Amino acid sequence: AQSVTQPDIHITVSEGASLELRCNYSYGATPYLFWYVQSPGQGLQLLLKYFSGDTLVQGIKGFEAEFKRSQSSFNLRKPSVHWSDAAEYFCAVGEKLIFGQGTELSVKP
Amino acid sequence: EAGVAQSPRYKIIEKRQSVAFWCNPISGHATLYWYQQILGQGPKLLIQFQNNGVVDDSQLPKDRFSAERLKGVDSTLKIQPAKLEDSAVYLCASSKTRGSYNEQFFGPGTRLTVL
Repeated sequence: AQSVTQPDIHITVSEGASLELRCNYSYGATPYLFWYVQSPGQGLQLLLKYFSGDTLVQGIKGFEAEFKRSQSSFNLRKPSVHWSDAAEYFCAVGEKLIFGQGTELSVKP
Repeated sequence: EAGVAQSPRYKIIEKRQSVAFWCNPISGHATLYWYQQILGQGPKLLIQFQNNGVVDDSQLPKDRFSAERLKGVDSTLKIQPAKLEDSAVYLCASSKTRGSYNEQFFGPGTRLTVL
């Protein structure tokens, strides 16, 4: 069965520090992979997506993610976190968007 | 360009009552989705429309949930009768057409509380 696991429910990082949010997936074929961000009271916004090709993909707001087939992972990274990055982050897989449970990011001043 | 609009933003009802949610997708978007997001979980697809036809409703609890998109534009999602476990945020999304290459744009959601 297709599924997505985000092992970290809540992460706190200091402003200016680097960030990595983990995502592992289970999918029968070559996956379509996505990262979305959800701010309080807002809809989901697409940060980046991977379909094929270069395994390091760049997204909006300075985010990037790396697809590692051998590890079934698609981790999201940002070199320097800003206070405005505090939000819920969702990894998703497939055409029908199967979502993980999300990781809530808090940013310390 | 206007985004996906949803109303109401919040709704509180008693169990066994009925409720309806409305969604207006981005103009020109043929595909419309309804998702259910229970607190602490990721969104789960309930139903997908292509124009006014249903593409996928395999996860829609059809004994109590119904949805329509009569003219291929606006859509309504109804729950009748509501149960406590229906408390969730209901998200509407739209895309130009089907397929993962077409980004889904999400509305702000309707937060339903069933007491």
